[in-house]
Amino acid sequence: DAMVIQNPRYQVTQFGKPVTLSCSQTLNHNVMYWYQQKSSQAPKLLFHYYDKDFNNEADTPDNFQSRRPNTSFCFLDIRSPGLGDAAMYLCATSRDFGRMYEQYFGPGTRLTVT
Amino acid sequence: AQTVTQSQPEMSVQEAETVTLSCTYDTSESNYYLFWYKQPPSRQMILVIRQEAYKQQNATENRFSVNFQKAAKSFSLKISDSQLGDTAMYFCAFIVNDMRFGAGTRLTVKP
Repeated sequence: DAMVIQNPRYQVTQFGKPVTLSCSQTLNHNVMYWYQQKSSQAPKLLFHYYDKDFNNEADTPDNFQSRRPNTSFCFLDIRSPGLGDAAMYLCATSRDFGRMYEQYFGPGTRLTVT
Repeated sequence: AQTVTQSQPEMSVQEAETVTLSCTYDTSESNYYLFWYKQPPSRQMILVIRQEAYKQQNATENRFSVNFQKAAKSFSLKISDSQLGDTAMYFCAFIVNDMRFGAGTRLTVKP
């Protein structure tokens, strides 16, 4: 089945130690998104890629970076994780960018910062 | 500002009964899409139902239907004949440019 895959499902990192979360998709979608979801809160968009074009949300901290080496893979890098970065990180894809395109979500990576 | 409000953090319903989840939103745009997503425990978020703002007819997908009131900026989800597998977090969302989510309603279906 075509899907969005996130690895690892659970990640523990130390305060200030860089960490990378991975997302891959077999849907061949043009757009990939990264959301941060803190406990009991709405998912918050961090950034998205339309093909190779990177689009950062205005309020996404500089501590968060992303890479998309090819259509299938997208990475979220947190350069110096703080305790406040502990959250569920959701990757999503859509065929194209626009209001009519459904987003397909991965299962998420739960990040713990110690 | 474009915001989504789900006023019911938690709800429960007996199996086979009907439940309605509330959602209100705020936008100055006239053309947008509305969605309900379901996130089962430890599983990925999946689309339940979508509604285009220009369509007056309420969307229906099997046991799931919406009551879309554009003037009131209201988009509630009705689940009929609730099943145990409906237990999940439900997120209301809308998209003009970027997807905006509500904080979610945790629904528990009791046997």
